[in-house]
Amino acid sequence: AQSVTQLGSHVSVSEGALVLLRCNYSSSVPPYLFWYVQYPNQGLQLLLKYTSAATLVKGINGFEAEFKKSETSFHLTKPSAHMSDAAEYFCAVSRGWGGGGADGLTFGKGTHLIIQP
Amino acid sequence: ETGVTQSPTHLIKTRGQQVTLRCSSQSGHNTVSWYQQALGQGPQFIFQYYREEENGRGNFPPRFSGLQFPNYSSELNVNALELDDSALYLCASSSDTEAFFGQGTRLTVV
Repeated sequence: AQSVTQLGSHVSVSEGALVLLRCNYSSSVPPYLFWYVQYPNQGLQLLLKYTSAATLVKGINGFEAEFKKSETSFHLTKPSAHMSDAAEYFCAVSRGWGGGGADGLTFGKGTHLIIQP
Repeated sequence: ETGVTQSPTHLIKTRGQQVTLRCSSQSGHNTVSWYQQALGQGPQFIFQYYREEENGRGNFPPRFSGLQFPNYSSELNVNALELDDSALYLCASSSDTEAFFGQGTRLTVV
């Protein structure tokens, strides 16, 4: 069984400050890990994914995440927040490279990122 | 634009009715998955179809059923609607390397 825990349902940062969104996972097999972003009334957009090639993963819009097996974590960071980063962020785990597999993607409950001007 | 289109975008149904949601997948993708996202929650996996066969299912009752067609488009059917079925339903079409999500269908059951 797989699970994802996102610490903090809401995170507020000032524009230009560091963004850190936390994600811990549980998986009985080597996981594939993903971060998705969701803007209001929209679907999910892939920010980045870990597929065992490199532990530090760079994604779109300046985001990156580091896979730490010993801590079972996959935290998302961005050095400098922008107003356009305000959205809902979801961490997900799957057994499939592309997010497929018989279990599909298992998502966390999400973190709402608020950017203060 | 992900190339994944869902219809309708919104609909309202009465408890006990049946509903069909549709998804056209991205060209070349033979796998489609459906997710239910309740308000304030993360998406939950309903089921997945690969080449017209269901090959994975989450913890949803049999009244949630689906189809995948030869062109890899898909339908999600929900019978005997309950108030708790109110949610955003997301379709994702997958290649080997990435899942692309549609904009979703917002279902309200009254």
